Amino acid sequence: GENVEQHPSTLSVQEGDSAVIKCTYSDSASNYFPWYKQELGKRPQLIIDIRSNVGEKKDQRIAVTLNKTAKHFSLHITETQPEDSAVYFCAASNPGGSYIPTFGRGTSLIVHP
Amino acid sequence: DVKVTQSSRYLVKRTGEKVFLECVQDMDHENMFWYRQDPGLGLRLIYFSYDVKMKEKGDIPEGYSVSREKKERFSLILESASTNQTSMYLCASSLIPQGLARYNEQFFGPGTRLTVL
Repeated sequence: GENVEQHPSTLSVQEGDSAVIKCTYSDSASNYFPWYKQELGKRPQLIIDIRSNVGEKKDQRIAVTLNKTAKHFSLHITETQPEDSAVYFCAASNPGGSYIPTFGRGTSLIVHP
Repeated sequence: DVKVTQSSRYLVKRTGEKVFLECVQDMDHENMFWYRQDPGLGLRLIYFSYDVKMKEKGDIPEGYSVSREKKERFSLILESASTNQTSMYLCASSLIPQGLARYNEQFFGPGTRLTVL
């Protein structure tokens, strides 16, 4: 089955810095890679996703990149703000096959004012 | 907006009790999931269901069972609760993907923090 590794487990940055979270996956058939954000005490919510037919996707201060050859994808947050503090989960799935997503273990991002 | 609700936010039970966690979604999603969330271990899939009365084991099904009698409702059952089942339990729902045309974003409930004493 699919295996998703996520690093780092904790990331501490100063407000205004950039933050990068990296994930690797094992199943070359995976072609959908969502990122979820879970604020303290709240439910995880999808913030951005990328499909295997593109290499990068941006939405304001967040971006995701995908390298299918190396089987890794990353979340980039620029100009971090205290409200970006949360746990971020990456996931991988194959919507055309065994579509149940496999999640990474999560990254706790702390943005210091 | 998709709404996924769970019957309790906090629950305290005693070892050996039978525990029911209920999840309801209102968007006619085919798939429903139960996850367990523990610090440093991420989201671990306990069971999922892709249709009424259908269920599949996830990564950590031991000690749990599920029931899906209606499309909108998915229940997680702890037959005899143990202290190592103290955790946050998250329910989620999603559509079944249709090829590449519809991707399967998961919609989560607010979670139930279960403490087993």
